[in-house]
Amino acid sequence: DQQVKQNSPSLSVQEGRISILNCDYTNSMFDYFLWYKKYPAEGPTFLISISSIKDKNEDGRFTVFLNKSAKHLSLHIVPSQPGDSAVYFCAARDSGGGADGLTFGKGTHLIIQP
Amino acid sequence: KAGVTQTPRYLIKTRGQQVTLSCSPISGHRSVSWYQQTPGQGLQFLFEYFSETQRNKGNFPGRFSGRQFSNSRSEMNVSTLELGDSALYLCASLLQPNTEAFFGQGTRLTVV
Repeated sequence: DQQVKQNSPSLSVQEGRISILNCDYTNSMFDYFLWYKKYPAEGPTFLISISSIKDKNEDGRFTVFLNKSAKHLSLHIVPSQPGDSAVYFCAARDSGGGADGLTFGKGTHLIIQP
Repeated sequence: KAGVTQTPRYLIKTRGQQVTLSCSPISGHRSVSWYQQTPGQGLQFLFEYFSETQRNKGNFPGRFSGRQFSNSRSEMNVSTLELGDSALYLCASLLQPNTEAFFGQGTRLTVV
């Protein structure tokens, strides 16, 4: 049973526009959420995180929104740039002693069109 | 500062053999966790170490084991390799548990 779901396997966005990547989770014990970006044959690169006590966190072009009641989070990238083309993973953690480390979604492949 | 270093980058092994992968975390980081990435299952948690102690373990068979040394470097071992163990093995470095995880480039293991 997938506890973290990224329902869009791929997303195509025009350069300069906003990219919105979505993530849903089912485990109400998750209290910390992270987004990673991954290029082929490389490890994931940490982008931004958010604690469940917040509903928004911003870092430069990246903003993460958390809706706890809907168990949904999203990553906004504004403006989108060609170098943003990569696979984006949403990850969640139960910091209160959950035994499973980070739980990852299957990823969304973001393609930025020139 | 130096990032997370995983060695080797690529490895080819035969079924039934065993393999040891190495990870050096970011200087000052004391926690290391390991993940397996496969096309079908995505990224799955293997185990986490902090101060030489295994804190958590994912849902993997006992053939998968690991350890952490006093300098925070970690190794993971897979014994009696199976074809299905072919994957990208990723090590993550954390300052301490429950902080941001920074990943290495991974070790690509192919079992033939």
